[in-house]
Amino acid sequence: DSGVTQTPKHLITATGQRVTLRCSPRSGDLSVYWYQQSLDQGLQFLIQYYNGEERAKGNILERFSAQQFPDLHSELNLSSLELGDSALYFCASSLTWGSNYGYTFGSGTRLTVV
Amino acid sequence: QQQVKQSPQSLIVQKGGISIINCAYENTAFDYFPWYQQFPGKGPALLIAIRPDVSEKKEGRFTISFNKSAKQFSLHIMDSQPGDSATYFCAATYDRGSTLGRLYFGRGTQLTVWP
Repeated sequence: DSGVTQTPKHLITATGQRVTLRCSPRSGDLSVYWYQQSLDQGLQFLIQYYNGEERAKGNILERFSAQQFPDLHSELNLSSLELGDSALYFCASSLTWGSNYGYTFGSGTRLTVV
Repeated sequence: QQQVKQSPQSLIVQKGGISIINCAYENTAFDYFPWYQQFPGKGPALLIAIRPDVSEKKEGRFTISFNKSAKQFSLHIMDSQPGDSATYFCAATYDRGSTLGRLYFGRGTQLTVWP
């Protein structure tokens, strides 16, 4: 167990729907990162939050949004889902902003859009 | 564009052999190069990492070799074991600007170690 908890583990939904993925960071970690893993794009950075504030954005679609709450858990919202959004979504956490130490990934949420 | 290029895509090695995975990067601002190991159904887990001020780092059977002038780095797994069968990702990042903490990953190498 990495200490980073992601729920749900699996999600199957229809095109056009909206889903929310949840991440609880490792105890004491203030930074949360979201990554998308797909066969054609590999592991791609989506967005980073630090202590409730957005810090960096990658190639995140406008249909996707995220936030980090006061208790430091984070949610990734995916809307108007398309077949191509099917992927593994990983959350990672680290102690501080930009920390290269203790960058820990959760086990991911597998999203299938049908 | 892929900022970190990784090869080979897949690798089959006999038990006891040496596994070698190579990565190359373009951005000279990168200053931290981790390797991650991922088993099916799990997230990537940090294996070993290096900074460009050293040319080699060894942890047990795992060694990173770093060539700053060539902008290349590689992972060597000595005495490869069936339990090492996993997907390996190289990555790069730098501690500055708006990209603090963001990892740029290679496409991954699927390693299979035959007993």
